[in-house]
Amino acid sequence: GQNIDQPTEMTATEGAIVQINCTYQTSGFNGLFWYQQHAGEAPTFLSYNVLDGLEEKGRFSSFLSRSKGYSYLLLKELQMKDSASYLCAVRDLGGRGSTLGRLYFGRGTQLTVWP
Amino acid sequence: GAVVSQHPSRVICKSGTSVKIECRSLDFQATTMFWYRQFPKQSLMLMATSNEGSKATYEQGVEKDKFLINHASLTLSTLTVTSAHPEDSSFYICSARDRTEAFFGQGTRLTVV
Repeated sequence: GQNIDQPTEMTATEGAIVQINCTYQTSGFNGLFWYQQHAGEAPTFLSYNVLDGLEEKGRFSSFLSRSKGYSYLLLKELQMKDSASYLCAVRDLGGRGSTLGRLYFGRGTQLTVWP
Repeated sequence: GAVVSQHPSRVICKSGTSVKIECRSLDFQATTMFWYRQFPKQSLMLMATSNEGSKATYEQGVEKDKFLINHASLTLSTLTVTSAHPEDSSFYICSARDRTEAFFGQGTRLTVV
């Protein structure tokens, strides 16, 4: 099974840096994804890690430690538009009807950015 | 532009009726699509894996006779919520994957009254 845990809510101010943590326990691991979701909309892809280490993409970075079952998403130079829910998702190895791995999501972290 | 199109974006139906939601991959052929459900302030819960030309695989606890999935072509999967009840009101999202990335449809807000 999959167990993915992330904080429910976080707040930060404009221009600041925020780190959203995600821990996971899975029966098979084939990558970790971070998505951004605004209320009432579909998730949009932010980052992907399959090997240990840091992946940087503009203002967003994501880190993975497979041995610790741990990832974080780092958002720099926060803007008001970054207020959204951030979803951590783990991909399994596939099987049970899919050769492509299935994505399992955490509950999401609602980030509020204040002026 | 969007690579996965989901329709309708919103639907209101009466209790007891059935509703069909369509998910199309626009730029690539998707042999596999995924259907998720999201309740307010909750995360996306995987309901089923839809495979072109074969039966869908349902996650534990999801009623396959209630949520009918058809994946008749490489670009279209449909989810039909049969005999809908108010507790089925939710946000339904489909996802199609190429080799590297998952693309999501715009979602369908279903309200059963």
